[in-house]
Amino acid sequence: DSGVTQTPKHLITATGQRVTLRCSPRSGDLSVYWYQQSLDQGLQFLIQYYNGEERAKGNILERFSAQQFPDLHSELNLSSLELGDSALYFCASSVEGRTEYEQYFGPGTRLTVT
Amino acid sequence: AQSVTQPDIHITVSEGASLELRCNYSYGATPYLFWYVQSPGQGLQLLLKYFSGDTLVQGIKGFEAEFKRSQSSFNLRKPSVHWSDAAEYFCAVVPFSGGYNKLIFGAGTRLAVHP
Repeated sequence: DSGVTQTPKHLITATGQRVTLRCSPRSGDLSVYWYQQSLDQGLQFLIQYYNGEERAKGNILERFSAQQFPDLHSELNLSSLELGDSALYFCASSVEGRTEYEQYFGPGTRLTVT
Repeated sequence: AQSVTQPDIHITVSEGASLELRCNYSYGATPYLFWYVQSPGQGLQLLLKYFSGDTLVQGIKGFEAEFKRSQSSFNLRKPSVHWSDAAEYFCAVVPFSGGYNKLIFGAGTRLAVHP
């Protein structure tokens, strides 16, 4: 158990819908990262937050957005869902936002878009 | 183009045999290097990392990796594989360009272990 929690574990929804994935980082960790794992794209970095501020952005679609709240939990919002958005979404956290600090991964949220 | 390559998609070894998983990177400067393991239904767990210094790095679960600058490689090894090592293994780098801390992952190598 990494100490990072993600809810829900599974999510099934229809095309065009909007969903919110939630991540609670390890106690004391200030930085949160979101990754997408799909069969065709592999594991891809989406976005990083550090203490409430966006720190880095990867291949995140405009239909996707994220935020980190004052209590440091984070939410990833996915809208206008398409079949290709079906994937495993991971959240990771680290003490600081710098590379030297290990990222601890949550168990992921499996999103299925039908 | 900048990339992380894991040439082997699937590897099968017998329990007790040695293991080497290959990873090559293509970046201008030596990035920070990592190996992660993903067991079925689980998140990723860090096995080991290399930032600088000794090129042979020891990790958890009996794994080690060797950084070879001349070959742009960071291969993962284990002298004797256990059935519980069956999982998917990902090599990852953090490039320095742009100051990002994002992990760039290889495509992964799925390891099967025969009894």
